[in-house]
Amino acid sequence: QVHLMQSGSELKKPGASVKVSCKASGYTFTSYTMNWVRQAPGQGLEWVGWINTNTGTPTSAQGFTGRFVFSLDTSVSTAYLQISSLKPEDTAVYYCAREGLGGGIDYWGQGTLVTVSS
Amino acid sequence: QSVLTQPPSVSGAPGQRVTISCTGSSSNIGAHYDVHWYQQLPGTAPKLLIYGNTNRPSGVPDRFSGSKSGTSASLAITGLQAEDEADYYCQSYDSSLSGSLNWVFGGGTKLTVL
Repeated sequence: QVHLMQSGSELKKPGASVKVSCKASGYTFTSYTMNWVRQAPGQGLEWVGWINTNTGTPTSAQGFTGRFVFSLDTSVSTAYLQISSLKPEDTAVYYCAREGLGGGIDYWGQGTLVTVSS
Repeated sequence: QSVLTQPPSVSGAPGQRVTISCTGSSSNIGAHYDVHWYQQLPGTAPKLLIYGNTNRPSGVPDRFSGSKSGTSASLAITGLQAEDEADYYCQSYDSSLSGSLNWVFGGGTKLTVL
C-alpha cells in the first residue's frame, strides 16, 4: 500500500535552515509528482510547490521562491523540502503529498511540524 | 485571503443534507480547471474526498458528491453523520499569476454536526 513517511518535528531559531524528508513506498516513485503543502497553526492549506519526480524539475508557488528548495533522491524514493533563512511565520505543519493520476492529492504524508522560535 | 472562497462554517443535524460552496473566478474554476475536495479531521492529514469535480475515490461513501458550474463548485453531503464533523477544503488551479499554473485552495469550511 502507498505510504509517505515524513521526518519528525523540528524546532529552529530564526535564520536557521531545515530539511524535511518524505520517503515514499508502495508505488513507483517516479511515476507521480510530489507536492508540498503547509498549514500554519489554526489556518488553512497552502500550496508550497511541487517537483517532477521523473525529471527533478521543481516548481515553487508564488511567494515560496528562493528560500524553499525541492529535491529528490530517487535511489531511496525520497523527496525533500529545504527551507532556509527561517522566519517565525514559517511555523507550520508541512505535508508532502502525491498527486493522483486523476488529479488532486490522493496520498498525504503524516505532516512535519516546523516551529521557528527564538 | 484565499483565491477560492468558502463559507467559514456550515452545520446540520444528523441525517440532513448540507452543501459547501467554493467560489472562484475566470482564472481558475471558470477556466475549466478541475476542482477537488478534501476532508480534514482534527489533528490528521487531509483526505481526498472528490477529484475531478465529481469523482469519488474508492472507499468514499456515496453520501459525498461534487458538482461544478461556471466559476463555482459545490460539495454535498447527504445523510449527515457525527463522523462527518471536520474541515473541508476545495482545491483547483489558477493561471493568473506570472503565467504559471498554481494550485489554489479554498480557506476551508468547518462542518458542525448538531
